[in-house]
Amino acid sequence: EPEVTQTPSHQVTQMGQEVILRCVPISNHLYFYWYRQILGQKVEFLVSFYNNEISEKSEIFDDQFSVERPDGSNFTLKIRSTKLEDSAMYFCASSTPQGMSNQPQHFGDGTRLSIL
Amino acid sequence: AQSVTQLDSQVPVFEEAPVELRCNYSSSVSVYLFWYVQYPNQGLQLLLKYLSGSTLVKGINGFEAEFNKSQTSFHLRKPSVHISDTAEYFCAVSKGDTGTASKLTFGTGTRLQVTL
Repeated sequence: EPEVTQTPSHQVTQMGQEVILRCVPISNHLYFYWYRQILGQKVEFLVSFYNNEISEKSEIFDDQFSVERPDGSNFTLKIRSTKLEDSAMYFCASSTPQGMSNQPQHFGDGTRLSIL
Repeated sequence: AQSVTQLDSQVPVFEEAPVELRCNYSSSVSVYLFWYVQYPNQGLQLLLKYLSGSTLVKGINGFEAEFNKSQTSFHLRKPSVHISDTAEYFCAVSKGDTGTASKLTFGTGTRLQVTL
């Protein structure tokens, strides 16, 4: 069964540095998402992406964050000038195969981001 | 906006006993409802979903859930649990807009601990 893949599984970065988290969504999906889960807290929506633009973003997704689909397969989350509070598990998801609406989101295994 | 409440942070249960994990939601519009499971060091795996139709939905691994609109609930049940069901379970809701892929709003999760 096709799956969403995320790399790296664990990223350690110094505070103030930029980090890029990478995701390969399921190949025929059209909607892409990033969520994060701070340790011990609930999974929170960050941003959704469709047709090469952001379709929705949360208040968490400020100017520090950006997303990009640089080619036909990758979907990236960039965090500029990382802060300690950016430490979390970041999940990528994709959904809605072409021709079908309102299908559930499929999640990757996540990238654990640790800011030192 | 939607919100989800999972009333129990932890549910201990003996193997082969039945279990119910509670989920209540709040929304001013129609919703789609989901249960996801997260095994240690893994991503979120879809257990089941309610989009429309029959209010009793069956998912993977013998789980089922019932949508109750009047009580705004979507409780997850399994008649006989197994040790391998030990995991974190998340209830989630999205807007029930046809033809769009809305963000998921998650509950805080319920840790199901199955023991012998």
